[in-house]
Amino acid sequence: DAGITQSPRHKVTETGTPVTLRCHQTENHRYMYWYRQDPGHGLRLIHYSYGVKDTDKGEVSDGYSVSRSKTEDFLLTLESATSSQTSVYFCAISDFEDTSTDTQYFGPGTRLTVL
Amino acid sequence: AQSVTQPDIHITVSEGASLELRCNYSYGATPYLFWYVQSPGQGLQLLLKYFSGDTLVQGIKGFEAEFKRSQSSFNLRKPSVHWSDAAEYFCAVGPYSSASKIIFGSGTRLSIRP
Repeated sequence: DAGITQSPRHKVTETGTPVTLRCHQTENHRYMYWYRQDPGHGLRLIHYSYGVKDTDKGEVSDGYSVSRSKTEDFLLTLESATSSQTSVYFCAISDFEDTSTDTQYFGPGTRLTVL
Repeated sequence: AQSVTQPDIHITVSEGASLELRCNYSYGATPYLFWYVQSPGQGLQLLLKYFSGDTLVQGIKGFEAEFKRSQSSFNLRKPSVHWSDAAEYFCAVGPYSSASKIIFGSGTRLSIRP
């Protein structure tokens, strides 16, 4: 299994509070991704990173920010959590962006509940 | 618009029976297609992917999928399911060069009847 950990694994928070989720990898892969998974929607990309301090938006980036100060860590921040951000969040990594030659590896997920 | 449709939300099959999970896609360019499996409480794991060549693709855990361009389909099959195959299965489509552009279907939950 690829060395990907996510913390925390479960979190309950209140509307309006800031929340930071962490993804940590030991594979030294260049690309890191944050997805959210909701019933009936599959996975949707929030943000991704193609190197230290290099990030870009995905399909559902509103209300989220990210940072990557080290190769191994990719942080997802909800500045002011809302109930619509209740979801399961997955981190993924890949060494190349070319999906014909590479594979995304997924972390175990973080279940976030915003009350 | 680019999209992936998995028509079956939940399927139950008996252990030892054959399985086919459906996936239909709408994609403007040459599609690159994937199947992932998610076991309860786990992240996604790639089962197989199709980029070119033989339209019948073999994957891990005894799964295979067939690309049918005329039907815009990429159905997943297994000749004999095991109880450990109970999981959620996701079909996805994207361009070959960009993992950040992959679109996932909404998933099919597979239950196995003893």
